[in-house]
Amino acid sequence: AQSVTQPDIHITVSEGASLELRCNYSYGATPYLFWYVQSPGQGLQLLLKYFSGDTLVQGIKGFEAEFKRSQSSFNLRKPSVHWSDAAEYFCAVGAQGAQKLVFGQGTRLTINP
Amino acid sequence: DAGITQSPRHKVTETGTPVTLRCHQTENHRYMYWYRQDPGHGLRLIHYSYGVKDTDKGEVSDGYSVSRSKTEDFLLTLESATSSQTSVYFCAISEKQYNYGYTFGSGTRLTVV
Repeated sequence: AQSVTQPDIHITVSEGASLELRCNYSYGATPYLFWYVQSPGQGLQLLLKYFSGDTLVQGIKGFEAEFKRSQSSFNLRKPSVHWSDAAEYFCAVGAQGAQKLVFGQGTRLTINP
Repeated sequence: DAGITQSPRHKVTETGTPVTLRCHQTENHRYMYWYRQDPGHGLRLIHYSYGVKDTDKGEVSDGYSVSRSKTEDFLLTLESATSSQTSVYFCAISEKQYNYGYTFGSGTRLTVV
């Protein structure tokens, strides 16, 4: 069965600094990978997804993620964060043939002014 | 938010009482999911549906049942609520399995006292 680990529970960065959120997955074949963002009191919104092809995927709000098969990782990046990026971020993995996603524990992002 | 509504948004109930949460969609999507969100656990799948009257269990299904008699409605029932079921419940929909990413509702905050 597939699984996802987000090693960082909470990250704090300064506004304008770069950001990288880590995601490691466990799955025997090529996974389907997703990043979601959750603002306080809201549901989750899809940021980006990877199925196949180019390992660097672009998403909404200036985010990107890179799939690295050798490291079983799908880290989320942003070159310059804004105060509005403060939220909780979830990585998720889907397996071929499965009908559901498995989510990581989430990483809470705080932005310092 | 993309035609998915959860009701109620908030509910406080007493231990031992039955509770039903409703998820309603206007997107005519085949797949519907119920997740619960708890600190330190991320999102965990309770039940999902892959069509009218077609449902299956997720990883934390004990104490929960679901029904889907129409494409647009997916009901989650706690037969006899317990304090361990205090959580935020999210419904999600998907057009074709998980490949296109989920669309989430705004959540229901349930407190069992």
